[in-house]
Amino acid sequence: KQEVTQIPAALSVPEGENLVLNCSFTDSAIYNLQWFRQDPGKGLTSLLLIQSSQREQTSGRLNASLDKSSGRSTLYIAASQPGDSATYLCAVYVARKLIWGLGTSLAVNP
Amino acid sequence: DTEVTQTPKHLVMGMTNKKSLKCEQHMGHRAMYWYKQKAKKPPELMFVYSYEKLSINESVPSRFSPECPNSSLLNLHLHALQPEDSALYLCASSQGGLVWRSAEAFFGQGTRLTVV
Repeated sequence: KQEVTQIPAALSVPEGENLVLNCSFTDSAIYNLQWFRQDPGKGLTSLLLIQSSQREQTSGRLNASLDKSSGRSTLYIAASQPGDSATYLCAVYVARKLIWGLGTSLAVNP
Repeated sequence: DTEVTQTPKHLVMGMTNKKSLKCEQHMGHRAMYWYKQKAKKPPELMFVYSYEKLSINESVPSRFSPECPNSSLLNLHLHALQPEDSALYLCASSQGGLVWRSAEAFFGQGTRLTVV
Protein backbone atom coordinates (compact mmCIF):
# COMPACT_ATOMS: atom_id res chain seq x y z
CA LYS A 1 0.00 0.00 0.00
CA GLN A 2 1.39 3.39 -1.03
CA GLU A 3 2.08 5.79 1.80
CA VAL A 4 3.28 9.39 1.46
CA THR A 5 5.11 11.22 4.23
CA GLN A 6 6.02 14.89 4.38
CA ILE A 7 8.71 16.31 6.60
CA PRO A 8 8.70 18.65 8.41
CA ALA A 9 5.04 18.96 9.45
CA ALA A 10 5.56 22.67 10.16
CA LEU A 11 8.26 25.18 9.36
CA SER A 12 8.77 28.80 10.36
CA VAL A 13 11.50 30.83 8.66
CA PRO A 14 12.50 34.48 8.27
CA GLU A 15 11.87 36.14 4.96
CA GLY A 16 14.56 35.63 2.34
CA GLU A 17 15.63 32.15 3.36
CA ASN A 18 15.97 29.32 0.88
CA LEU A 19 14.12 26.27 2.11
CA VAL A 20 13.47 22.63 1.28
CA LEU A 21 10.31 20.65 1.84
CA ASN A 22 10.53 16.87 1.73
CA CYS A 23 8.13 14.23 0.47
CA SER A 24 8.75 10.47 0.58
CA PHE A 25 6.70 7.59 -0.76
CA THR A 26 6.91 3.86 -0.12
CA ASP A 27 6.24 2.41 -3.58
CA SER A 28 8.27 3.64 -6.55
CA ALA A 29 5.58 2.53 -9.05
CA ILE A 30 4.08 5.97 -9.51
CA TYR A 31 2.90 7.72 -12.68
CA ASN A 32 3.68 11.22 -11.50
CA LEU A 33 4.11 13.40 -8.41
CA GLN A 34 2.42 16.73 -7.93
CA TRP A 35 3.08 19.54 -5.46
CA PHE A 36 0.19 21.74 -4.35
CA ARG A 37 -0.23 24.83 -2.24
CA GLN A 38 -3.26 25.42 -0.05
CA ASP A 39 -4.12 28.66 1.75
CA PRO A 40 -6.34 28.35 4.86
CA GLY A 41 -9.91 27.44 3.94
CA LYS A 42 -9.15 27.60 0.22
CA GLY A 43 -8.75 25.16 -2.62
CA LEU A 44 -5.54 23.64 -3.89
CA THR A 45 -3.24 25.35 -6.38
CA SER A 46 -1.06 23.11 -8.50
CA LEU A 47 2.57 24.20 -8.26
CA LEU A 48 4.56 21.60 -10.14
CA LEU A 49 3.94 18.23 -11.78
CA ILE A 50 6.84 15.81 -12.25
CA GLN A 51 6.29 12.84 -14.53
CA SER A 52 7.75 9.50 -13.43
CA SER A 53 10.36 9.73 -16.20
CA GLN A 54 11.52 13.21 -15.15
CA ARG A 55 14.04 14.25 -12.52
CA GLU A 56 12.97 17.83 -11.86
CA GLN A 57 10.68 20.69 -12.76
CA THR A 58 11.07 24.41 -12.22
CA SER A 59 8.63 27.29 -12.03
CA GLY A 60 9.91 30.69 -10.97
CA ARG A 61 11.38 30.41 -7.47
CA LEU A 62 10.21 26.82 -7.12
CA ASN A 63 12.15 23.72 -8.07
CA ALA A 64 10.93 20.18 -7.46
CA SER A 65 13.04 17.06 -7.84
CA LEU A 66 12.06 13.43 -8.03
CA ASP A 67 14.13 10.35 -7.23
CA LYS A 68 11.85 7.38 -7.83
CA SER A 69 14.40 4.78 -6.84
CA SER A 70 14.73 6.21 -3.35
CA GLY A 71 11.07 7.24 -3.11
CA ARG A 72 11.79 10.91 -2.52
CA SER A 73 10.85 14.33 -3.83
CA THR A 74 11.95 17.74 -2.61
CA LEU A 75 10.41 21.14 -3.18
CA TYR A 76 12.97 23.94 -3.08
CA ILE A 77 11.71 27.47 -2.51
CA ALA A 78 14.25 30.20 -3.19
CA ALA A 79 14.25 33.58 -1.44
CA SER A 80 11.10 32.90 0.56
CA GLN A 81 8.49 35.66 0.98
CA PRO A 82 5.63 36.17 3.45
CA GLY A 83 3.22 35.42 0.58
CA ASP A 84 4.64 31.89 0.44
CA SER A 85 3.02 31.14 3.79
CA ALA A 86 0.61 28.25 3.21
CA THR A 87 0.35 24.49 3.52
CA TYR A 88 2.27 22.56 0.88
CA LEU A 89 0.98 19.12 -0.08
CA CYS A 90 2.59 16.49 -2.23
CA ALA A 91 0.63 13.72 -3.90
CA VAL A 92 1.63 10.72 -5.99
CA TYR A 93 -0.58 9.42 -8.76
CA VAL A 94 -1.17 5.67 -8.61
CA ALA A 95 -3.98 3.58 -10.13
CA ARG A 96 -6.17 6.55 -11.04
CA LYS A 97 -5.88 8.04 -7.56
CA LEU A 98 -3.80 10.70 -5.88
CA ILE A 99 -2.23 9.49 -2.64
CA TRP A 100 -1.55 12.43 -0.36
CA GLY A 101 0.91 13.40 2.30
CA LEU A 102 -0.31 15.31 5.36
CA GLY A 103 1.39 18.50 4.23
CA THR A 104 3.97 20.95 5.51
CA SER A 105 2.62 24.13 7.09
CA LEU A 106 4.98 26.96 6.16
CA ALA A 107 5.15 30.36 7.84
CA VAL A 108 7.51 32.98 6.38
CA ASN A 109 7.99 35.84 8.80
CA PRO A 110 8.69 39.42 7.63
CA ASP B 1 -7.53 28.96 -18.76
CA THR B 2 -6.76 26.44 -16.01
CA GLU B 3 -9.76 27.24 -13.87
CA VAL B 4 -12.16 24.92 -12.12
CA THR B 5 -15.16 26.86 -10.80
CA GLN B 6 -17.23 25.67 -7.87
CA THR B 7 -20.52 27.09 -6.61
CA PRO B 8 -21.59 27.98 -4.05
CA LYS B 9 -18.52 28.98 -2.05
CA HIS B 10 -20.37 28.49 1.25
CA LEU B 11 -23.44 26.41 2.07
CA VAL B 12 -25.30 25.89 5.33
CA MET B 13 -27.96 23.19 5.26
CA GLY B 14 -30.18 21.37 7.71
CA MET B 15 -30.14 17.62 8.05
CA THR B 16 -33.45 17.31 6.18
CA ASN B 17 -32.52 19.58 3.30
CA LYS B 18 -31.60 18.69 -0.27
CA LYS B 19 -28.92 20.78 -1.92
CA SER B 20 -26.46 20.51 -4.80
CA LEU B 21 -22.86 21.51 -5.32
CA LYS B 22 -21.74 22.46 -8.81
CA CYS B 23 -18.41 22.29 -10.57
CA GLU B 24 -17.48 23.52 -14.04
CA GLN B 25 -14.33 23.38 -16.17
CA HIS B 26 -13.67 24.45 -19.74
CA MET B 27 -10.24 22.91 -20.24
CA GLY B 28 -11.57 19.95 -22.24
CA HIS B 29 -10.71 17.60 -19.41
CA ARG B 30 -12.51 14.26 -19.48
CA ALA B 31 -11.77 13.18 -15.91
CA MET B 32 -13.49 14.93 -13.00
CA TYR B 33 -13.31 14.28 -9.29
CA TRP B 34 -15.03 15.06 -6.01
CA TYR B 35 -12.96 15.24 -2.83
CA LYS B 36 -13.87 15.89 0.79
CA GLN B 37 -11.40 17.66 3.06
CA LYS B 38 -11.57 18.03 6.82
CA ALA B 39 -9.52 20.65 8.68
CA LYS B 40 -5.79 19.96 8.74
CA LYS B 41 -6.21 16.76 6.72
CA PRO B 42 -5.41 16.01 3.09
CA PRO B 43 -8.27 15.63 0.60
CA GLU B 44 -10.14 12.32 0.56
CA LEU B 45 -11.28 11.02 -2.81
CA MET B 46 -15.03 10.47 -3.11
CA PHE B 47 -15.86 9.95 -6.79
CA VAL B 48 -14.13 9.87 -10.17
CA TYR B 49 -15.87 10.40 -13.49
CA SER B 50 -14.22 9.46 -16.74
CA TYR B 51 -15.89 10.50 -20.00
CA GLU B 52 -19.06 11.34 -18.06
CA LYS B 53 -19.25 7.85 -16.56
CA LEU B 54 -18.71 7.07 -12.89
CA SER B 55 -15.50 5.04 -12.69
CA ILE B 56 -14.61 5.18 -8.99
CA ASN B 57 -16.86 5.40 -5.93
CA GLU B 58 -14.83 5.27 -2.74
CA SER B 59 -17.64 3.63 -0.76
CA VAL B 60 -19.31 6.98 -0.21
CA PRO B 61 -22.68 6.94 1.64
CA SER B 62 -25.71 7.18 -0.61
CA ARG B 63 -26.67 10.54 0.88
CA PHE B 64 -24.04 11.87 -1.54
CA SER B 65 -25.11 11.43 -5.16
CA PRO B 66 -22.82 12.54 -7.98
CA GLU B 67 -23.92 13.47 -11.47
CA CYS B 68 -22.01 14.38 -14.62
CA PRO B 69 -24.51 15.85 -17.11
CA ASN B 70 -21.86 16.71 -19.69
CA SER B 71 -18.10 16.88 -20.13
CA SER B 72 -17.81 20.32 -18.50
CA LEU B 73 -20.12 19.95 -15.51
CA LEU B 74 -20.07 17.88 -12.34
CA ASN B 75 -22.71 18.01 -9.63
CA LEU B 76 -22.86 16.57 -6.13
CA HIS B 77 -26.38 16.15 -4.80
CA LEU B 78 -26.73 16.19 -1.03
CA HIS B 79 -29.62 14.76 0.98
CA ALA B 80 -30.14 13.96 4.66
CA LEU B 81 -26.59 14.84 5.61
CA GLN B 82 -25.14 14.55 9.10
CA PRO B 83 -23.20 17.20 11.03
CA GLU B 84 -20.03 15.12 10.54
CA ASP B 85 -20.37 15.68 6.79
CA SER B 86 -19.41 19.32 7.35
CA ALA B 87 -16.20 19.87 5.40
CA LEU B 88 -14.62 21.57 2.40
CA TYR B 89 -15.77 19.83 -0.79
CA LEU B 90 -13.32 20.11 -3.64
CA CYS B 91 -13.80 19.44 -7.31
CA ALA B 92 -10.88 18.64 -9.59
CA SER B 93 -10.30 17.80 -13.22
CA SER B 94 -7.55 16.34 -15.38
CA GLN B 95 -7.09 15.11 -18.91
CA GLY B 96 -8.49 11.64 -19.41
CA GLY B 97 -7.97 9.02 -22.08
CA LEU B 98 -4.48 8.09 -23.15
CA VAL B 99 -2.83 10.80 -21.02
CA TRP B 100 -4.72 9.75 -17.90
CA ARG B 101 -1.59 8.55 -16.14
CA SER B 102 0.50 11.65 -16.65
CA ALA B 103 -2.14 14.33 -16.32
CA GLU B 104 -1.93 17.28 -13.99
CA ALA B 105 -4.89 17.70 -11.63
CA PHE B 106 -6.49 21.13 -11.25
CA PHE B 107 -8.65 21.95 -8.27
CA GLY B 108 -11.43 24.42 -7.64
CA GLN B 109 -11.61 26.70 -4.61
CA GLY B 110 -14.07 24.43 -2.88
CA THR B 111 -17.47 24.69 -1.22
CA ARG B 112 -17.42 25.10 2.55
CA LEU B 113 -20.37 22.99 3.72
CA THR B 114 -21.85 23.24 7.19
CA VAL B 115 -24.60 20.81 8.22
CA VAL B 116 -26.70 21.98 11.17
